[in-house]
Amino acid sequence: AQSVTQLDSHVSVSEGTPVLLRCNYSSSYSPSLFWYVQHPNKGLQLLLKYTSAATLVKGINGFEAEFKKSETSFHLTKPSAHMSDAAEYFCVVSDRGNQGGKLIFGQGTELSVKP
Amino acid sequence: DTAVSQTPKYLVTQMGNDKSIKCEQNLGHDTMYWYKQDSKKFLKIMFSYNNKELIINETVPNRFSPKSPDKAHLNLHINSLELGDSAVYFCASSQRGGNNEQFFGPGTRLTVL
Repeated sequence: AQSVTQLDSHVSVSEGTPVLLRCNYSSSYSPSLFWYVQHPNKGLQLLLKYTSAATLVKGINGFEAEFKKSETSFHLTKPSAHMSDAAEYFCVVSDRGNQGGKLIFGQGTELSVKP
Repeated sequence: DTAVSQTPKYLVTQMGNDKSIKCEQNLGHDTMYWYKQDSKKFLKIMFSYNNKELIINETVPNRFSPKSPDKAHLNLHINSLELGDSAVYFCASSQRGGNNEQFFGPGTRLTVL
């Protein structure tokens, strides 16, 4: 069975400071891992994905995440937060061999950015 | 230019009514999905269709019936609406496979009174 745990339901940072959103996963198979972002009253947009290539994955808007198999983690980071980064962030796992494409979502982390 | 579109964006209705939500994608994907996002923002897959064939059905009540007339459309019909059906419903599409990015529609906020 697969599962995802986002360790913080809410993170607050000041503009210009680093962002760290934590995610741990559990998977019986080789996982694909994703981070999606949801701005208020909007759909979800893919930030980045890991699918077995480089363990450090770079995404859009300056975000990156590192796949650490030994720690079963896939934390999302950004060196310097911007006001426009305020949103809900979802860590997502999928079985890489899953032809059904079923995504398992974490509970979400709300990121607030203070001026 | 819209990749995945849903209609309507908002849907307010009384308990016991039947309603439909439509979804269309113009990305040429072969797989489409319905997700439900509850009031705590938790997202859970409901259904997945590949080339009009149902491949995932996540123990959703029989009152929910997806219909895929072709691989670019996946509609969601809900019978006998209940208060607990109030949520945001997202349609998504992708190429089949667990590696692939899913593209999400803007969501339909359903409120059952």
